[in-house]
Amino acid sequence: EVQLVESGGGLVKPGRSLRLSCSASGFTFGNYGMSWFRQAPGKGLEWVGFISSKPYGGTADYAPSVKGRFTISRDDSKSIAYLQMNSLKADDTAVYYCGKDWGSGSGSYYVDYWGQGAQVTVSS
Amino acid sequence: DIQMTQFPSSVSASVGDRVTITCRASQDIGTWLAWYQHKPGKAPKFLIFEAHTLQSGVPSRFRGGGSGTEFTLTINSLQPEDFASYYCQQVQRLPLTFGGGTKVEIK
Repeated sequence: EVQLVESGGGLVKPGRSLRLSCSASGFTFGNYGMSWFRQAPGKGLEWVGFISSKPYGGTADYAPSVKGRFTISRDDSKSIAYLQMNSLKADDTAVYYCGKDWGSGSGSYYVDYWGQGAQVTVSS
Repeated sequence: DIQMTQFPSSVSASVGDRVTITCRASQDIGTWLAWYQHKPGKAPKFLIFEAHTLQSGVPSRFRGGGSGTEFTLTINSLQPEDFASYYCQQVQRLPLTFGGGTKVEIK
């Protein structure tokens, strides 16, 4: 059974950093791209970024709203994807979700499994 | 960026009703579209990809249609577990973008 569990959320002051982890099980992690999304209070879903599998470069792409501040990485030996968030703003307050790409290989950008989410609150 | 406009933003319906949600893209995205179901406090659920292909395990009362710039998600014979929010998402071009969501509520 595929499982994704986010951790590392919490309350952080504006300008500070936080790193989220997405621990995966139930599939060959290294074969799949991984995505991050968020949902701000009262808002809809927003794509944050995507990292491809290592055989396809292991490169990441980001939403314009987080580019230059957030970094996605992966540790295939531990089956964990990370979201490093720097220079956090109040607007980054949201529930953050990780997701497994539906297709192995270069990535389809469809997400067939999602985690339950981690709350990140940015406030002084 | 490709803008996704979804409507209605909410709909009240009864068990057994048919509900149709529309999603409009600001440019031609072919059939590069997904639909997700999301309930509060839960992980979103993958329903449909490539605009009309049902993900494995999704009940056949869910139907996706459309291509180009106009898409629909139809739920036939609404069931109690279908009351949730629904989102369309284009995957034709980065940045990936979602519609604003449609909340299906119990009448």
